[in-house]
Amino acid sequence: EPEVTQTPSHQVTQMGQEVILRCVPISNHLYFYWYRQILGQKVEFLVSFYNNEISEKSEIFDDQFSVERPDGSNFTLKIRSTKLEDSAMYFCASSWGTLDEYEQYFGPGTRLTVT
Amino acid sequence: LAKTTQPISMDSYEGQEVNITCSHNNIATNDYITWYQQFPSQGPRFIIQGYKTKVTNEVASLFIPADRKSSTLSLPRVSLSDTAVYYCLVGLSGGYNKLIFGAGTRLAVHP
Repeated sequence: EPEVTQTPSHQVTQMGQEVILRCVPISNHLYFYWYRQILGQKVEFLVSFYNNEISEKSEIFDDQFSVERPDGSNFTLKIRSTKLEDSAMYFCASSWGTLDEYEQYFGPGTRLTVT
Repeated sequence: LAKTTQPISMDSYEGQEVNITCSHNNIATNDYITWYQQFPSQGPRFIIQGYKTKVTNEVASLFIPADRKSSTLSLPRVSLSDTAVYYCLVGLSGGYNKLIFGAGTRLAVHP
């Protein structure tokens, strides 16, 4: 069964540093997403991406965040200057369509620890 | 986006059937009901989706009454590996289909 992959599985960085989290969505999917989950809290939507542009973003996704699809397979989330409160699990997801019946497939996540 | 209410936690034992009910009183005509499962330190995983009546797949069944104001996820004969958080989502935002997760129901299956 096809799956979404993410690298690295765990990233430790110092406050103020830039990090790039990488994802390889399922190959024939057209819609891509990033979510995050702070330890013990809910999964939160960050951004959705389609046709090489952001289609929707949440309040969390401020100017410190950016997404890119640099080639035909990777989808990246960059945090320009990390803060302690950015420590969380970051999940990438992809789907074929956007109607309710198109399920989203999630990756295993990247645990980001900001010290 | 319809507000959902589900129990915070449930306990069960191996081999039992587990039913998790979700209330969604303000569900809209076009809304689907979708359930996701999340194991610790993993991403959510789609379990089942329905619009009305009953849907069954290899993992679970979803019962939706005629008024659609609630739904029940049924897990037959649970095992320890079914210990997870189960999320009920209703009325995905449309547009680009962002998922809005609540706190979910934390199911603990005991030996």
